[in-house]
Amino acid sequence: AQTVTQSQPEMSVQEAETVTLSCTYDTSESNYYLFWYKQPPSRQMILVIRQEAYKQQNATENRFSVNFQKAAKSFSLKISDSQLGDTAMYFCAFAPEGAQKLVFGQGTRLTINP
Amino acid sequence: NAGVTQTPKFQVLKTGQSMTLQCAQDMNHEYMSWYRQDPGMGLRLIHYSVGAGITDQGEVPNGYNVSRSTTEDFPLRLLSAAPSQTSVYFCASSYSLSGREQFFGPGTRLTVL
Repeated sequence: AQTVTQSQPEMSVQEAETVTLSCTYDTSESNYYLFWYKQPPSRQMILVIRQEAYKQQNATENRFSVNFQKAAKSFSLKISDSQLGDTAMYFCAFAPEGAQKLVFGQGTRLTINP
Repeated sequence: NAGVTQTPKFQVLKTGQSMTLQCAQDMNHEYMSWYRQDPGMGLRLIHYSVGAGITDQGEVPNGYNVSRSTTEDFPLRLLSAAPSQTSVYFCASSYSLSGREQFFGPGTRLTVL
């Protein structure tokens, strides 16, 4: 069974700082997808970034980037120039190729302080 | 497009009552799923559907039923509510199985007394 582990229950940084959220996963699959979802206080789940395991290049979306280490089964999210609106729960998620399911980590509560 | 909609937003039930959580999407997505979110546990898959008339169990299916008679709708039924089913429920849909983004509804907060 696949598992996703986020070892940081809570993090707090000052506005404009850079913060990195950690995620590790366990799978025997060779092809899969990894995601970071953001859940602000509104409760809405919002996709932040997506990585395909067969792509060696790390995904980036504006201020958000990932460090994907396939051999180490690690998938961290870096938020640069953090903003107050980045305050949210962040979930790392794994999806096997061809399967309609997401396996989520426990989440990291990120607070950006002014 | 409204995207994925869920009703109701909040619900309080007594133990043993039944109810249906509604989910609809207007994006013509074939794939729909139900998740529950509990504190400290992330989201867990309850049931999913790969198309009208086809459903399957996820990680935590006990106590829940689903059906998919149309592409648009995917209701989740609680047959006899228990306090352990107190949770936030999310419906999601996606275009394909190929690791595409899943679009989530706004969630339903359910409390079972």
